[in-house]
Amino acid sequence: AQSVTQLGSHVSVSEGALVLLRCNYSSSVPPYLFWYVQYPNQGLQLLLKYTSAATLVKGINGFEAEFKKSETSFHLTKPSAHMSDAAEYFCAVSDRGSGNTGKLIFGQGTTLQVKP
Amino acid sequence: GAVVSQHPSWVICKSGTSVKIECRSLDFQATTMFWYRQFPKQSLMLMATSNEGSKATYEQGVEKDKFLINHASLTLSTLTVTSAHPEDSSFYICSARMGGEQYFGPGTRLTVT
Repeated sequence: AQSVTQLGSHVSVSEGALVLLRCNYSSSVPPYLFWYVQYPNQGLQLLLKYTSAATLVKGINGFEAEFKKSETSFHLTKPSAHMSDAAEYFCAVSDRGSGNTGKLIFGQGTTLQVKP
Repeated sequence: GAVVSQHPSWVICKSGTSVKIECRSLDFQATTMFWYRQFPKQSLMLMATSNEGSKATYEQGVEKDKFLINHASLTLSTLTVTSAHPEDSSFYICSARMGGEQYFGPGTRLTVT
């Protein structure tokens, strides 16, 4: 069974500071990994995804994430936070094995607060 | 491209009534759509996988007779909450699968009074 754990339900950074949102996964097969952002009362927007190409994945809005198999991690980073980055962030895993249904398993979410 | 819409965006209904939520893929065809439920300040919980032309696959613990899913065409899936109760109040989000990715709708806020 697959699972995702996001460490820290709430992260607060100052504007211009480094953003680091942590995600660890568990999967018996090589996974697909995703980061999504959700603004209040809206659906999810894909930030980036890992599908076994480069381990360092660049996404939209200056975000990137690195897949580390040895650490079973897929942490999300951004060098300099902007006020508009304040939102809820979800890490998700999907299977890629035979019979792949495409189901996404989400982490608990991390609220990012950006202080001026 | 890859836009998914939901209708309505919010709905208030009385306890005991039924409400239907539509999920449409506007510019692509989706053989598979997913329905999620999200409680305030919580993550998304997958309710069911909707496959065009066949019965939906429900996750464990989801009442299939209460949450009726129909995927009648390659661009439309509907979720009907039957005999709604206040505990069904939630944010319902659908997604449509294309290639290896899911594209999410904007969500529907359901309030049952």
